[in-house]
Amino acid sequence: TQLLEQSPQFLSIQEGENLTVYCNSSSVFSSLQWYRQEPGEGPVLLVTVVTGGEVKKLKRLTFQFGDARKDSSLHITAAQPGDTGLYLCAGKRTGFQKLVFGTGTRLLVSP
Amino acid sequence: NAGVTQTPKFQVLKTGQSMTLQCAQDMNHEYMSWYRQDPGMGLRLIHYSVGAGITDQGEVPNGYNVSRSTTEDFPLRLLSAAPSQTSVYFCASSYSLAESYGYTFGSGTRLTVV
Repeated sequence: TQLLEQSPQFLSIQEGENLTVYCNSSSVFSSLQWYRQEPGEGPVLLVTVVTGGEVKKLKRLTFQFGDARKDSSLHITAAQPGDTGLYLCAGKRTGFQKLVFGTGTRLLVSP
Repeated sequence: NAGVTQTPKFQVLKTGQSMTLQCAQDMNHEYMSWYRQDPGMGLRLIHYSVGAGITDQGEVPNGYNVSRSTTEDFPLRLLSAAPSQTSVYFCASSYSLAESYGYTFGSGTRLTVV
C-alpha cells in the first residue's frame, strides 16, 4: 500500500497549457515536499510546505498544502518544455523521522 | 561545493557477487539515507543514519548493510547480489530532520544484477 498516491501518473501536454498534479494520503503529514527529477539525475527539491492551507509560489509553479495536511497539489501555469520531468511528492508524518515518497507524475511538455 | 557524490554511476554484477556503493557529502549534513527507485514504485528507503555511528533500517533493508564511521561518508554494501536488487540507488542527505528541511540527492548508481 502506497502511503502517498499521486495523480495523474503520466501527463503529456503542449507548451502554454496549464496543469495540476495531485498528491493524496489518508495519513496526516507534518510537512510535504515536492521534487523534480530529470533523466539520469537525482530528485531536486522544489519546495517544502509545513502549514495546513499554505500556498507557495515558485515562478510559474504554485504549491498548496491541504487544510487537513493530508494532501497537496502542484499547479503549473503556461507549461514550458523545460518543465518536463518526473515530479515527486514526499512527506514526513508526525512522530516519524523518515521521508516517504509518492510514485511520481511523469510530465512531458511538447513545443 | 560538490553536494552529494555517488560512485560508481553504473555497475553490472553477477548473482552472488558483493559490492559497495559509495556516498559522500561535503555539506556537514547529519542525516544521510539510501533509497532505491524502481518503475511504478517510487523511492523506497533502504537504510538511514542520523549521525556518525548511528544507523537504522528503512522500508526495504534486506540484503543491504550500511555503516557511518564519519559524518561525510555513508557506504551501502550489497552482501550477495540478487537480480531483485537491480535498481537505481540514490543517496540523500539533509542538514536536519526538522520538517522544513529538504533532502539533497546524489545523481544515482544504476545497478544491474545478472
